[in-house]
Amino acid sequence: GESVGLHLPTLSVQEGDNSIINCAYSNSASDYFIWYKQESGKGPQFIIDIRSNMDKRQGKRVTVLLNKTVKHLSLQIAATQPGDSAVYFCAERGGTSYGKLTFGQGTILTVHP
Amino acid sequence: NAGVMQNPRHLVRRRGQEARLRCSPVKGHSHVYWYRQLPEEGLKFMVYLQKENIIDESGMPKERFSAEFPKEGPSILRIQQVVRGDSAAYFCASSPSSGGTILTGHDTQYFGPGTRLTVL
Repeated sequence: GESVGLHLPTLSVQEGDNSIINCAYSNSASDYFIWYKQESGKGPQFIIDIRSNMDKRQGKRVTVLLNKTVKHLSLQIAATQPGDSAVYFCAERGGTSYGKLTFGQGTILTVHP
Repeated sequence: NAGVMQNPRHLVRRRGQEARLRCSPVKGHSHVYWYRQLPEEGLKFMVYLQKENIIDESGMPKERFSAEFPKEGPSILRIQQVVRGDSAAYFCASSPSSGGTILTGHDTQYFGPGTRLTVL
């Protein structure tokens, strides 16, 4: 039979706009969350992380929000630039598997000049 | 400050051959993790190692795959008798610690550039 490829969610924005990338996680025992950026042909690059005892953390041009009630994580990028174009993954670490990260499917961000 | 190093960056093998992927962690990091990524998918955990010990191999296929992190030298992910379904990007990450039950802030995993394995 014909195989169907997996299509990642996409977000297209204009340069200078703010971007919001969302992620739902499944493990209520997860205690640590990370956002990674992955450019084509490269490894994931750490952006920002947040512990489960926090609901917001800010970095340079990026903010991560954590809503444990609905198990939702978001990454906000201010003044998005063409260099921000990449695939963005959220990852969670939970339960007793302290070394194991579980990654989301990823979101493709495209920034138009 | 060298980051995580992986080699080779690209590896081509024929079905039935062996593939050896190497990972040198960030200097001072004693925890290594291997992940596999298929096209247009997220990374899938394979194995977590400390020096000379396998801590969690819950993501490793039961056959043909093995990993080690010796006292000296890089971590090695070994795939015996490769099949076409093994074609993927394999990423290594390292951290100073795993975090355990106390989140020390030293448990962030930093990734290498990956090895892209193609099985013909």
